[in-house]
Amino acid sequence: AQSVAQPEDQVNVAEGNPLTVKCTYSVSGNPYLFWYVQYPNRGLQFLLKYITGDNLVKGSYGFEAEFNKSQTSFHLKKPSALVSDSALYFCAVRDTMDTGRRALTFGSGTRLQVQP
Amino acid sequence: GAVVSQHPSWVICKSGTSVKIECRSLDFQATTMFWYRQFPKQSLMLMATSNEGSKATYEQGVEKDKFLINHASLTLSTLTVTSAHPEDSSFYICSARDLASGSAGELFFGEGSRLTVL
Repeated sequence: AQSVAQPEDQVNVAEGNPLTVKCTYSVSGNPYLFWYVQYPNRGLQFLLKYITGDNLVKGSYGFEAEFNKSQTSFHLKKPSALVSDSALYFCAVRDTMDTGRRALTFGSGTRLQVQP
Repeated sequence: GAVVSQHPSWVICKSGTSVKIECRSLDFQATTMFWYRQFPKQSLMLMATSNEGSKATYEQGVEKDKFLINHASLTLSTLTVTSAHPEDSSFYICSARDLASGSAGELFFGEGSRLTVL
């Protein structure tokens, strides 16, 4: 079985400061990991993914995430937050061992609030 | 990135009626599409996997006779909520993976459909 945990319901950060949104995962095999962002009443927009290779993944809008296998984590980061980054962020996983499940499993989401 | 179009964005219906939601991949083909449901301030819950040319695979606890899924082509899947009740009110989101990107490809999401059943 695959699962994702986002331990923080909300993260508050001042504009210009670095931000981190945490994500840990559990899979039987190797993970495919994803980050998505959702604005109110909208679908999800893809930010970045880790499949294999370099543990530091760079994505859209200046976001990056670091895959840490020993800690089973995939935290989302950005060096300098913008007010427009305020949104709901979802971490998702797919277990490469679970060939019967092709969908992604999502975390509970973390609301990011960037204050001016 | 690839575009998934979902229609309608908003729908209000009376209790007991049926509502159809369409999900189209506009610039790629998808043998598989996924239907999620999202409750307010909650995560996305997978309802079913839509398979082109064959029956959908439903998650445990999802009534297949209530949520009818049809995937008639490589670019279109439909979700029909039959005999809708107020508790079916929710935000429904479809997603698809580009057939060409393989199993490691990301999912692309539609803009969602907010259903309100009166």
